[in-house]
Amino acid sequence: GQQVMQIPQYQHVQEGEDFTTYCNSSTTLSNIQWYKQRPGGHPVFLIQLVKSGEVKKQKRLTFQFGEAKKNSSLHITATQTTDVGTYFCAYGATNKLIFGTGTLLAVQP
Amino acid sequence: DTGVSQDPRHKITKRGQNVTFRCDPISEHNRLYWYRQTLGQGPEFLTYFQNEAQLEKSRLLSDRFSAERPKGSFSTLEIQRTEQGDSAMYLCASSIGLAGDNEQFFGPGTRLTVL
Repeated sequence: GQQVMQIPQYQHVQEGEDFTTYCNSSTTLSNIQWYKQRPGGHPVFLIQLVKSGEVKKQKRLTFQFGEAKKNSSLHITATQTTDVGTYFCAYGATNKLIFGTGTLLAVQP
Repeated sequence: DTGVSQDPRHKITKRGQNVTFRCDPISEHNRLYWYRQTLGQGPEFLTYFQNEAQLEKSRLLSDRFSAERPKGSFSTLEIQRTEQGDSAMYLCASSIGLAGDNEQFFGPGTRLTVL
């Protein structure tokens, strides 16, 4: 079935550095959602993008949906230790979400 | 707390035993989902209910798995004759509306360990 790949799998940054994770699909997506999962926790919804080229911001987080609606990115400016966790992109297929492979972010104080 | 709740949070069982998990979604949510997540992976879809009707099941859901949502409120997921490969986190999520791509609210999960 359709898969969504994320890169990198793992990123270790110093607190204050920026971080970006990328989500890529081989086919056009109708929408993309981003979730954050803290260590030992459950996925928590961050945002949904539906329009080609859409950019949304949430404080230090910037989300983009590619013009061709085949890729998306999440950028965190000036990471903090509270940003630690795994970030998943997911697209809404009929009756379910298909999750990407996730990017684990570690932030060193 | 009006979020999604799951019970139990942890379950340890011996191979061959049956287990049942419960999910209580957010009360006004008509859509309920079950996912399975193994270490280092994203959640994988298992099954979906709209109200009390089970409308989709993944190929991951073998004959040993059964799910119900009898009154369109809480749901149960049963695994019969558990195998070590069933060890995973079982996540329940709920959402509202008619579209399948709405924001989903996840419960804390039930971590199953099969010895």
